[in-house]
Amino acid sequence: ELKVEQNPLFLSMQEGKNYTIYCNYSTTSDRLYWYRQDPGKSLESLFVLLSNGAVKQEGRLMASLDTKARLSTLHITAAVHDLSATYFCAAGGATNKLIFGTGTLLAVQP
Amino acid sequence: DVKVTQSSRYLVKRTGEKVFLECVQDMDHENMFWYRQDPGLGLRLIYFSYDVKMKEKGDIPEGYSVSREKKERFSLILESASTNQTSMYLCASSLFNPYYSGYTFGSGTRLTVV
Repeated sequence: ELKVEQNPLFLSMQEGKNYTIYCNYSTTSDRLYWYRQDPGKSLESLFVLLSNGAVKQEGRLMASLDTKARLSTLHITAAVHDLSATYFCAAGGATNKLIFGTGTLLAVQP
Repeated sequence: DVKVTQSSRYLVKRTGEKVFLECVQDMDHENMFWYRQDPGLGLRLIYFSYDVKMKEKGDIPEGYSVSREKKERFSLILESASTNQTSMYLCASSLFNPYYSGYTFGSGTRLTVV
């Protein structure tokens, strides 16, 4: 059974600093997704990672996938306040189910 | 703009009531999903459907049922609402093979059972 673990649960960081959110999954998965959720809003798709070694970047966010280690990372470079949100990773399972991690609440302090 | 629409943004229901949460998508997607979101637990899959009248249990189906009579509509039913079903409910849809296209989420229904 596919399980997804994400850490940390909460991340308070200063503007301008770098940090990484980690996402581990328990069994083979052929796709990994990252989503952003603002308070009271729905989920916004950030990245879709489909192969080992995949790396995608958008602005200050960069996501990577290591299928051998069953690990994906979301790296934040030089954080700004606008990045404050909850970030979820999710792995694609059998029968096209999408299994989520617990989410990381990111608070960027000035 | 393609959409997944959830009929209610906020609902307050009494314990024991039968509750219907509706979700409609306009993308001709085969797959539809219901999740509940709770702090510290992420999104947990309740039920999903890959075709009309087809359904499969997710990780937490107890206390819920679903109905999919038309391709575009997927309903979540709480047969007898209880306070532990107070939560945010999110609907999502995808193509039968979402490998490249991914999943689209609705804006959520915040349900409070009193």
